[in-house]
Amino acid sequence: GAVVSQHPSRVICKSGTSVKIECRSLDFQATTMFWYRQFPKQSLMLMATSNEGSKATYEQGVEKDKFLINHASLTLSTLTVTSAHPEDSSFYICSARASLDRVPGGYTFGSGTRLTVV
Amino acid sequence: QKEVEQNSGPLSVPEGAIASLNCTYSDRGSQSFFWYRQYSGKSPELIMSIYSNGDKEDGRFTAQLNKASQYVSLLIRDSQPSDSATYLCAVSRQAGTALIFGKGTTLSVSS
Repeated sequence: GAVVSQHPSRVICKSGTSVKIECRSLDFQATTMFWYRQFPKQSLMLMATSNEGSKATYEQGVEKDKFLINHASLTLSTLTVTSAHPEDSSFYICSARASLDRVPGGYTFGSGTRLTVV
Repeated sequence: QKEVEQNSGPLSVPEGAIASLNCTYSDRGSQSFFWYRQYSGKSPELIMSIYSNGDKEDGRFTAQLNKASQYVSLLIRDSQPSDSATYLCAVSRQAGTALIFGKGTTLSVSS
């Protein structure tokens, strides 16, 4: 299959600091990466779509200056939560599109990052 | 974002029963439909994908799609306690575009 490695799995940070989350495709090239956020008992909400070598496309209501996405290579996309506040505490998941012969359904997911801002 | 609606539940069924999960979507241009299972604090796992109207069966799972009614469902036969999880319905408009998820239905199967 096509594996996406997401790190860190858990992070606790102080309010006002920045946190970087990495998603790395291990055995395929991820031209497109999707970033989701999930609050408790809520849906995975699409935050942005990142394409290698170009600016990310953010969903309505997502602050692009607060959630910085970089997709500088075909195997690495990062999400940086800048000046984090307690309301940013959530579960962040990345997802990449892969070919159907490698991943059933064609979408592979990172293992998620639990961010807690104190 | 386009809407995907699910009854959040919880849906409780006894072991061996059929569990029926339903989902409606608002974007008539949606082309691909998925059911995922998610455990707390974990990423989603694919259960079924369906792309055309009708039924698709895979073991104990059957997905049903009705594009005219903008409705997709998942039936789980012979439900087991291990099936207890949150089931997410997801749709995409075309190949390569992002999945849009529903809120999920929590299923509890009692032994």
